[in-house]
Amino acid sequence: GAVVSQHPSWVICKSGTSVKIECRSLDFQATTMFWYRQFPKQSLMLMATSNEGSKATYEQGVEKDKFLINHASLTLSTLTVTSAHPEDSSFYICSARKAGGAGELFFGEGSRLTVL
Amino acid sequence: GQQLNQSPQSMFIQEGEDVSMNCTSSSIFNTWLWYKQDPGEGPVLLIALYKAGELTSNGRLTAQFGITRKDSFLNISASIPSDVGIYFCAGRSGSRLTFGEGTQLTVNP
Repeated sequence: GAVVSQHPSWVICKSGTSVKIECRSLDFQATTMFWYRQFPKQSLMLMATSNEGSKATYEQGVEKDKFLINHASLTLSTLTVTSAHPEDSSFYICSARKAGGAGELFFGEGSRLTVL
Repeated sequence: GQQLNQSPQSMFIQEGEDVSMNCTSSSIFNTWLWYKQDPGEGPVLLIALYKAGELTSNGRLTAQFGITRKDSFLNISASIPSDVGIYFCAGRSGSRLTFGEGTQLTVNP
């Protein structure tokens, strides 16, 4: 159990377009999901915390109007990169905390975004 | 903000050797977690530690939650080629998870 799936796993888009990435907990309910960004050979940087049914909490320096997060259900959170630019190219990873669990985070496979 | 110092940054070892890596912090954490990340994949949880002093094993992996709650180590015994990857420690305080910078492990057959 505890599988988190992201879709798409990779996406290439033109500059100025918007891209949506989905994060689903397949076999458990997740009241809280987290979105991370990872640059090559670097650690994961937390972008925002997403709570089901409420607004996301963004980390300092992360533009909430650029990275729209929606956590519409206990099994789905989405990250939309709006008006993407080449500097938004990165590996985006979500994680989900099991409701009622011991607090472990389970990560998705990641989504590679390349903005041309 | 909270910072984790993970060392070493990289290791090159021969198959069969044991490996040790550690994380230290100036802050106290309630939980320490160790993850492994393969290229192009998300991190996979290896071991979770919940109490100061706790020593936990998962196969060839052993990790400990430091008594001061500010450090943790991960040992891998008898390494094999598939142990290659990046290992991250993570400390949890409240709902926030802070990651170390990672240790890149290369195992030569």
